Amino acid sequence: QQQVKQSPQSLIVQKGGISIINCAYENTAFDYFPWYQQFPGKGPALLIAIRPDVSEKKEGRFTISFNKSAKQFSLHIMDSQPGDSATYFCAASMRLGNFNKFYFGSGTKLNVKP
Amino acid sequence: DAGITQSPRHKVTETGTPVTLRCHQTENHRYMYWYRQDPGHGLRLIHYSYGVKDTDKGEVSDGYSVSRSKTEDFLLTLESATSSQTSVYFCAISESLNNEQFFGPGTRLTVL
Repeated sequence: QQQVKQSPQSLIVQKGGISIINCAYENTAFDYFPWYQQFPGKGPALLIAIRPDVSEKKEGRFTISFNKSAKQFSLHIMDSQPGDSATYFCAASMRLGNFNKFYFGSGTKLNVKP
Repeated sequence: DAGITQSPRHKVTETGTPVTLRCHQTENHRYMYWYRQDPGHGLRLIHYSYGVKDTDKGEVSDGYSVSRSKTEDFLLTLESATSSQTSVYFCAISESLNNEQFFGPGTRLTVL
């Protein structure tokens, strides 16, 4: 079963608007929650990440909100720009023996219209 | 792409043929990973390595094998390619268990 559920699949936002992408998980052993940004033809790139001991992390226009009790976390992109148009993946990881196992959401394709 | 190269970048092959994809890093990172990316599935782990000659299976390892004879190289082999292995393959590296993974540019593989 899918360990990390991501929504929506696609999102259209006007320039200057707020983009919100949501993820939910079940396994409370997860201890690291990154978001990746991927442009066509490129590999995913780490955008921002959070650990469950904090409820929010902000880096520039990007904010992660984390709700431990609800087992949900979300990415907010403030003042969205056309250059933000990309596919975004959430992920969750946990330590399994000798490595960190990552589980990825299915991705959200964001289109920011000028 | 954090000193990671993948080769080839694109490959078209026929069912039943062997295929080897290469991941090369210049970062001297200990951990290396192979993922496949398919629409609606995100990224799924195929195999990973935690050191030279130390490898283990991920969640979708059937039909794939790996080898790591040097720190900088991690090879993914499809012994007999099938159409279900048509996908985009990404290599990733991480320095330690600090959770940050860096991804390569990907290899688009088509099995006809």
